[in-house]
Amino acid sequence: EAGVTQSPRYAVLQEGQAVSFWCDPISGHDTLYWYQQPRDQGPQLLVYFRDEAVIDNSQLPSDRFSAVRPKGTNSTLKIQSAKQGDTATYLCASSLGYEQYFGPGTRLTVL
Amino acid sequence: GQQVQQSPASLVLQEGENAELQCNFSSTATQLQWFYQSPGGSLVSLLSNPSGTKHTGRLTSTTVTKERRSSLHISSSQTTDSGTYLCAIDLNNYAQGLTFGLGTRVSVFP
Repeated sequence: EAGVTQSPRYAVLQEGQAVSFWCDPISGHDTLYWYQQPRDQGPQLLVYFRDEAVIDNSQLPSDRFSAVRPKGTNSTLKIQSAKQGDTATYLCASSLGYEQYFGPGTRLTVL
Repeated sequence: GQQVQQSPASLVLQEGENAELQCNFSSTATQLQWFYQSPGGSLVSLLSNPSGTKHTGRLTSTTVTKERRSSLHISSSQTTDSGTYLCAIDLNNYAQGLTFGLGTRVSVFP
């Protein structure tokens, strides 16, 4: 069974640039999560979906971040105008039930 | 304050030694997972253990739900066990986002 896949693995931007991250969850998993993990910290939930519906996006900086999962499978997280404070690893996870499985993450550096 | 607290923050072991990692949480948790993260690596789920005791390989997790604490015991440590161990709980309900602790950084030397 294939795990959660993410792309790209790395991204380096100047402040003000836009970037998109893509996630393909484990087949059949109905719930998909995006987390942000700053260096030397634990992951922090940004948003999660059940099928195509957003269940909780209260931690997503809505002025610059957006996330979609249009068909209830793959998902895209976009940062419209990146800031240096967005430097972190962005992790996608999926679940069918309690246990979450994580992808390898996208390491973002904003200069 | 931090809803999930892990201790110790770091741990240095000689290969073959045992280790005990602690996780304390401030609210009732319906789900608790222990993860391993290698330096620069992704999160690997080790154990899902909301209550009771579970074993996998050289790892044993014991969660006492009423006391809001969990432990992860590593027996006969190996150099490949080096990395960060993260405890995460689901604070509210079924399959919602996990709240993570800051982790315990484990270094195992030969």
